[in-house]
Amino acid sequence: AAGVIQSPRHLIKEKRETATLKCYPIPRHDTVYWYQQGPGQDPQFLISFYEKMQSDKGSIPDRFSAQQFSDYHSELNMSSLELGDSALYFCASSLGSAGGYNEQFFGPGTRLTVL
Amino acid sequence: ILNVEQSPQSLHVQEGDSTIFTCSFPSSNFYALHWYRWETAKSPEALFVMTLNGDEKKKGRISATLNTKEGYSYLYIKGSQPEDSATYLCASHTGTASKLTFGTGTRLQVTL
Repeated sequence: AAGVIQSPRHLIKEKRETATLKCYPIPRHDTVYWYQQGPGQDPQFLISFYEKMQSDKGSIPDRFSAQQFSDYHSELNMSSLELGDSALYFCASSLGSAGGYNEQFFGPGTRLTVL
Repeated sequence: ILNVEQSPQSLHVQEGDSTIFTCSFPSSNFYALHWYRWETAKSPEALFVMTLNGDEKKKGRISATLNTKEGYSYLYIKGSQPEDSATYLCASHTGTASKLTFGTGTRLQVTL
């Protein structure tokens, strides 16, 4: 069965550069979630989208922005990268409306390293 | 309790042992409790989603219970096998927010 696809899997950037992470949800899933997991930390929710509209917002820095496109894939744009942005970024997708407890299926993650 | 907390932080058992993990979560505005199994270098795999007080779910040798009034869930693994070695995450879903709030996980290592 098709799973959540994230690209790239690994990314190395310099401080103050920008990065774009992509997430392709499971076919027919209409909700996308982004999580950030720093070294030795639990995953932290960043932002989610349902039907191309932002549905919930967590601890996402102002330097980050995200959107969901008409084909339901999502991109997380990160600017002015800082060393502390080095983390594993997970995307998850689900089927259902915002506010539901729909099961979230996770992608393999993108490991971002900021030097 | 304000955050999702899991215990123990790590557990090392012998093959055949049974294990129990605890997840504590805020009981107010509770919506759902998720358990995930996360192997190194792989994405978290959903095990259970539970919503009702007293819910019990089972998948093979793994089962889970839920107490929404006191805000805790137990995950049991019967007869642990080396392939059960992973980090087990619980996450709560509160109110109408779509996000999950994760605990720090319990890292299980099963040896022969």
